[in-house]
Amino acid sequence: DAGVIQSPRHEVTEMGQEVTLRCKPISGHNSLFWYRQTMMRGLELLIYFNNNVPIDDSGMPEDRFSAKMPNASFSTLKIQPSEPRDSAVYFCASSFEGGHQPQHFGDGTRLSIL
Amino acid sequence: SQKIEQNSEALNIQEGKTATLTCNYTNYSPAYLQWYRQDPGRGPVFLLLIRENEKEKRKERLKVTFDTTLKQSLFHITASQPADSATYLCALEGGGSYIPTFGRGTSLIVHP
Repeated sequence: DAGVIQSPRHEVTEMGQEVTLRCKPISGHNSLFWYRQTMMRGLELLIYFNNNVPIDDSGMPEDRFSAKMPNASFSTLKIQPSEPRDSAVYFCASSFEGGHQPQHFGDGTRLSIL
Repeated sequence: SQKIEQNSEALNIQEGKTATLTCNYTNYSPAYLQWYRQDPGRGPVFLLLIRENEKEKRKERLKVTFDTTLKQSLFHITASQPADSATYLCALEGGGSYIPTFGRGTSLIVHP
């Protein structure tokens, strides 16, 4: 049983470049979450999809961030243009029907913007 | 504003002892509380969920309590082992939202 798969595991790029993070949720899960984790702020929710539809994107920092879920097995988080303050570990998680269910996390993408 | 507090200082204990981690919250009425374990370079892994009407829940060497009066959850690991060393995060869900909010976690270090 494959877990949540994220790619790439590490990304180092220069300021101003476009960054695309990818996530494959667990098959059968209909809720998908993107988080950002930093030492200063901990684990912050960026956006939540249910049945491929964005339900809550209030955590998306600004217009430079966008997320899509074109189908039940794939989601992307894009940052354009990237800035050094975007450096963090980005996690994707999936679960059954959002509420009261454990979330299953991928191992994250460690993003460094130089 | 809603706040979840976990001790930012690492908890150091000797192997075999019971580790107790604390999750306090304010301005919150969570219906559910979850505990996760996170190892370095890995994503959080779900451990236990406890509901507001449950006082205590156990799973093997793990025990979680939930006191809605004190606005606190305690997470215990009995007979701790060095392999239990990790960061433990609590997550609260409630107030009509299905999305849990995570604390920043407490690092546990079990010394052999």
